[in-house]
Amino acid sequence: EVRLVQSGAEVKKPGESLKISCQVSGYIFTDYWIAWVRQMPGKGLEWMGIIYPGDSVTTYSPSFQGQVTFSVDKSINTAYLQWSSLKASDTAIYYCAKSREEGATREGFDFWGQGTLVTVSS
Amino acid sequence: IQLTQSPSSLSASIGDRVTITCRASQGIYTYLAWYQQKPGKAPKLLIYVASTLQSGVPSRFSGSGSGTDFTLTISSLQPEDFATYYCQQLYTNPLTFGGGTKVEIK
Repeated sequence: EVRLVQSGAEVKKPGESLKISCQVSGYIFTDYWIAWVRQMPGKGLEWMGIIYPGDSVTTYSPSFQGQVTFSVDKSINTAYLQWSSLKASDTAIYYCAKSREEGATREGFDFWGQGTLVTVSS
Repeated sequence: IQLTQSPSSLSASIGDRVTITCRASQGIYTYLAWYQQKPGKAPKLLIYVASTLQSGVPSRFSGSGSGTDFTLTISSLQPEDFATYYCQQLYTNPLTFGGGTKVEIK
């Protein structure tokens, strides 16, 4: 059974750093892209970017380039999303998702994590 | 690439036929997916490459289109279909989403 399990909710202050995780199971982690998607309170889905765990090739949406960093730890089948300096506007739910197609993203994303709520407030 | 969904919301009754459209700002062949999201839940993939039904998705859902214009149709709306629906283009990075269509009970 394919599962993506994300780390728990976080409450942080502006300027703090944060790293959230997405641990996968039930498939070969290094063969499928992992996407990160933001959903601000009451809003729609926003594409942040993708990472290929096999070689850590990464593509960021221009809106998020330089604001976040994607990484993976292949030894524990886990992908990460991190911030070095959070802002109040980073308050959102963050989802990870697995590409449906091995090695490609043309068929969308078929399994999603449960989401991690990040709240940034002074 | 910008994706424009219409309508942004709609009210419909059980058994109604519902159609949601998604227009891309440039041609994307058939590299389009549709997702359903219920409150407090992660999105669920319904359709990929514009018209292929994801495994386990009821056959009342269908997708069509190519190039710039796409539609998601629910042939007979069921209680569990009340949700927000998003299209996503998968032609080129960034893999943008449409703004969403909220389907509510009339």
